[in-house]
Amino acid sequence: NAGVTQTPKFRVLKTGQSMTLLCAQDMNHEYMYWYRQDPGMGLRLIHYSVGEGTTAKGEVPDGYNVSRLKKQNFLLGLESAAPSQTSVYFCASSYSSGTGELFFGEGSRLTVL
Amino acid sequence: KQEVTQIPAALSVPEGENLVLNCSFTDSAIYNLQWFRQDPGKGLTSLLLIQSSQREQTSGRLNASLDKSSGRSTLYIAASQPGDSATYLCAVFAAGNKLTFGGGTRVLVKP
Repeated sequence: NAGVTQTPKFRVLKTGQSMTLLCAQDMNHEYMYWYRQDPGMGLRLIHYSVGEGTTAKGEVPDGYNVSRLKKQNFLLGLESAAPSQTSVYFCASSYSSGTGELFFGEGSRLTVL
Repeated sequence: KQEVTQIPAALSVPEGENLVLNCSFTDSAIYNLQWFRQDPGKGLTSLLLIQSSQREQTSGRLNASLDKSSGRSTLYIAASQPGDSATYLCAVFAAGNKLTFGGGTRVLVKP
């Protein structure tokens, strides 16, 4: 079982460049989430999705866009990267929101110069 | 706004000692509470999930309790081993699809 897979695992960008992080899950989960983890700030929710074709804003959505065209995939996009977006990004999924156990990917480390 | 606190931020114990990790939250209207383990450079691994109607959950050497009324959860790890060294995070799930994480407790188990 692959579980939750994130690609790429590492990426270096220059300010103003764009990129997309891909999250794929093979557990048929309805709910998917994107978090960022920063020292001293903990894990913060960027965007989430409660099903195919749906997305919603989390705690820190500015500068990011997401899409959930297929149930198993959740994409996180940075249209114009900024140094403040240097972080480790985690994708997570769960079968249901209220009672479901959350499963995380291994993380994607992004550096914006 | 839900706030989740984990104290202490770091903990060092000799091998074999029992570990007690604390998690407190400000709003008791939660659906569940989950404990995670995170190794350096890795993602989060789910350890235990306690539903709001439950008082505790056990898995092997791990036992987690939940007291909603006081806004507290405790993770006990019996007979600690060097392999238990990691950061442990708790997270509470509440209405509005909001999962709020604590800052974590970094644990070092010395051989």
